[in-house]
Amino acid sequence: DADVTQTPRNRITKTGKRIMLECSQTKGHDRMYWYRQDPGLGLQLIYYSFDVKDINKGEISDGYSVSRQAQAKFSLSLESAIPNQTALYFCATSAMTDSTDTQYFGPGTRLTVL
Amino acid sequence: GQQVMQIPQYQHVQEGEDFTTYCNSSTTLSNIQWYKQRPGGHPVFLIQLVKSGEVKKQKRLTFQFGEAKKNSSLHITATQTTDVGTYFCAVNTGGFKTIFGAGTRLFVKA
Repeated sequence: DADVTQTPRNRITKTGKRIMLECSQTKGHDRMYWYRQDPGLGLQLIYYSFDVKDINKGEISDGYSVSRQAQAKFSLSLESAIPNQTALYFCATSAMTDSTDTQYFGPGTRLTVL
Repeated sequence: GQQVMQIPQYQHVQEGEDFTTYCNSSTTLSNIQWYKQRPGGHPVFLIQLVKSGEVKKQKRLTFQFGEAKKNSSLHITATQTTDVGTYFCAVNTGGFKTIFGAGTRLFVKA
């Protein structure tokens, strides 16, 4: 969805390096998420945020941190990258209305840790 | 805790054959959503089901929510090569949070 952008789209880094993945949205949604997808697997939730002052851990938060700089921006950091963090990372947004939580995904960032 | 199982993990079909994927939950759901991810793409929302026994159609796609609101299915009639991709269900038990199934990957042979 063009309303959700992620940078960079591809990143190759070395073990031990700190890297940041960025997500921006123009949908005006309060909720933002970071997911990880490994080949052939589903989506694992890393962190989520309901608003600027709200940050919550997901299923696999170890080794990751996030920052919600503004309603429209949600960044994911790998403090010290390791090879098993090689994966496809998606940012998503949603607006909880009428008990629905439809999520809109960014194009993804393919991260390779050597 | 909340668990969602999606089966099959993958399926190969000949173009023109039908395809069904199933999503099963261990607890009663407030709603269920279906997403499609094309190869190399990102998940895209298809539909949401809320009511017990609900059936919705989108062209060749039929979505059904079980009477007990613990399971759902997505059926594609007469598959086409454009149907290739991974289909995910996403469940919500009320409030946050949404949990994605592992997905069913569909391969269509022309």
